[in-house]
Amino acid sequence: GQNIDQPTEMTATEGAIVQINCTYQTSGFNGLFWYQQHAGEAPTFLSYNVLDGLEEKGRFSSFLSRSKGYSYLLLKELQMKDSASYLCAVRDSNYQLIWGAGTKLIIKP
Amino acid sequence: IAGITQAPTSQILAAGRRMTLRCTQDMRHNAMYWYRQDLGLGLRLIHYSNTAGTTGKGEVPDGYSVSRANTDDFPLTLASAVPSQTSVYFCASSERGGSTDTQYFGPGTRLTVL
Repeated sequence: GQNIDQPTEMTATEGAIVQINCTYQTSGFNGLFWYQQHAGEAPTFLSYNVLDGLEEKGRFSSFLSRSKGYSYLLLKELQMKDSASYLCAVRDSNYQLIWGAGTKLIIKP
Repeated sequence: IAGITQAPTSQILAAGRRMTLRCTQDMRHNAMYWYRQDLGLGLRLIHYSNTAGTTGKGEVPDGYSVSRANTDDFPLTLASAVPSQTSVYFCASSERGGSTDTQYFGPGTRLTVL
């Protein structure tokens, strides 16, 4: 079966750095996405990785290792507004997105 | 209209009733999708459409039907609602052909079936 694993919840301090991990087992791989979802709102696109390595976008970076079936999202200089759920999704061989359950990130002052 | 809109925002429905959730996009995206999101589970694909006039089944299609008569609209119908269909429903769209084919989401419909 296909599976995306993420921690259920993480807590971090304002101004700090946090790394959210995602491991996956899917039938085929055609890219990995990270989305942010604030409570009661729609998911919004953060990043996309299809080749191994690090993609940096401002305070957010995403890393991919296809051989290990592993990705992480790195958030720097945390702000209170970063409190949200972070969703990892993999595009499989059928070109459909398989979603993890999401990681709820709690930022404390 | 900018992006994707969904209607209604929320709905309480009696079991056995028929319900159509509406989704409209103005980005001229080829592909559209319907997901449900339940607590503790990832988004699950119900149905999708790669282009106007075509539809396909996702991971959890039973009890739902869709149509795609034109590029902009992709309604989801529950023929006879059951309590297990209580969920938050998200519509999404993508270019389908771009390098990343990123999906963009509507604001969601919160549906409660009693």
